[in-house]
Amino acid sequence: GAVVSQHPSWVICKSGTSVKIECRSLDFQATTMFWYRQFPKQSLMLMATSNEGSKATYEQGVEKDKFLINHASLTLSTLTVTSAHPEDSSFYICSARGGSGLSYEQYFGPGTRLTVT
Amino acid sequence: AQSVTQLDSQVPVFEEAPVELRCNYSSSVSVYLFWYVQYPNQGLQLLLKYLSGSTLVKGINGFEAEFNKSQTSFHLRKPSVHISDTAEYFCAVSDLPNDYKLSFGAGTTVTVRA
Repeated sequence: GAVVSQHPSWVICKSGTSVKIECRSLDFQATTMFWYRQFPKQSLMLMATSNEGSKATYEQGVEKDKFLINHASLTLSTLTVTSAHPEDSSFYICSARGGSGLSYEQYFGPGTRLTVT
Repeated sequence: AQSVTQLDSQVPVFEEAPVELRCNYSSSVSVYLFWYVQYPNQGLQLLLKYLSGSTLVKGINGFEAEFNKSQTSFHLRKPSVHISDTAEYFCAVSDLPNDYKLSFGAGTTVTVRA
């Protein structure tokens, strides 16, 4: 149980285009989803927290107009990187936190490797 | 706000030898503590967690960790490692009043050699 999927697993896009990454909780309802960014050989940096049906809360230094987060249902959150540039190339990981019984733990997706050319 | 320090960035170890990965945290409130493992190009997998109760926590794959409140530490151990334990290990802290956000340490790269 408590499986989180991400799609796509990897994506290559051209500079200036937008790309959407999906994060799904497959067998539980995720009241909160988190988006992280990880550069090579580095730790995970929290980008934003999203609760179903409300606006995402972004961490300091993260451009909310560039990284659009939507959490329209209890099982799906999306991250859209708008007008992507090579410096946006990174490994993006989502996690989900469920309701009672799962509330204290985050379950992580397998990650999405974004390469902007 | 909490912070997490993983004292070793890289730990080389021979197969079947023991390993200890050190983690210290700072927080002004009660916390939950986690260890995650990340294999190349993959997401994070939970090894074990401390929520309350016994300070010795056993996890998957033969790992265990001990919570020491006075030393604010949560060190991870395994008595005998395998080649397959080669991975990146992250210690994380959750400060519940802060909406369950996780703060991660910088990570420890474990390389197991035959």
